[in-house]
Amino acid sequence: GENVEQHPSTLSVQEGDSAVIKCTYSDSASNYFPWYKQELGKGPQLIIDIRSNVGEKKDQRIAVTLNKTAKHFSLHITETQPEDSAVYFCAAIPGSLTNYKLSFGAGTTVTVRA
Amino acid sequence: DTAVSQTPKYLVTQMGNDKSIKCEQNLGHDTMYWYKQDSKKFLKIMFSYNNKELIINETVPNRFSPKSPDKAHLNLHINSLELGDSAVYFCASSRTGGGTNEKLFFGSGTQLSVL
Repeated sequence: GENVEQHPSTLSVQEGDSAVIKCTYSDSASNYFPWYKQELGKGPQLIIDIRSNVGEKKDQRIAVTLNKTAKHFSLHITETQPEDSAVYFCAAIPGSLTNYKLSFGAGTTVTVRA
Repeated sequence: DTAVSQTPKYLVTQMGNDKSIKCEQNLGHDTMYWYKQDSKKFLKIMFSYNNKELIINETVPNRFSPKSPDKAHLNLHINSLELGDSAVYFCASSRTGGGTNEKLFFGSGTQLSVL
């Protein structure tokens, strides 16, 4: 099955700085890569996603990049704010399955220092 | 209105007991899921139902039994609870479950503590 590795496991940044989270995947047929944000006491929420036919996608302060050859993708948060503090999960869906079975990374706890 | 709602939010119980968690979605989605999040925040899928039919059944002890009375509800019953069952259980839904770019909508979780 798909194996998604995520690092770092924790990330502390000064408010206003950028944060970068990196993930690698094992199944070269994977074609959809979402990112979820989980705030304290809540369920994960999709913040951005990218498909395998696109190399980069931006949404305001958030961007995701995908390198299919190297099988890795990254989340970039610019001008971090205290409300960006949360656990972030990358995920990939194996291309060989027809059912929706996301494989999640282990999560990155991001803390934005004021 | 909450899109995916699960109850209870907290569940504290003794080893050996049987308990249920309920989930309902009002999004009109066809597919619902149960995920388990352990103490290290790792998210792992347990089950998935599409239109009341079981489509994903991961390696989960048979003490865990999902039930979907209709496509808007997916409940999780756990028999003979063990200490290792302590975790946060999330219900989720997606529109069809067959596509590769579908957004998952998660509930707010049920924190289960087995004493």
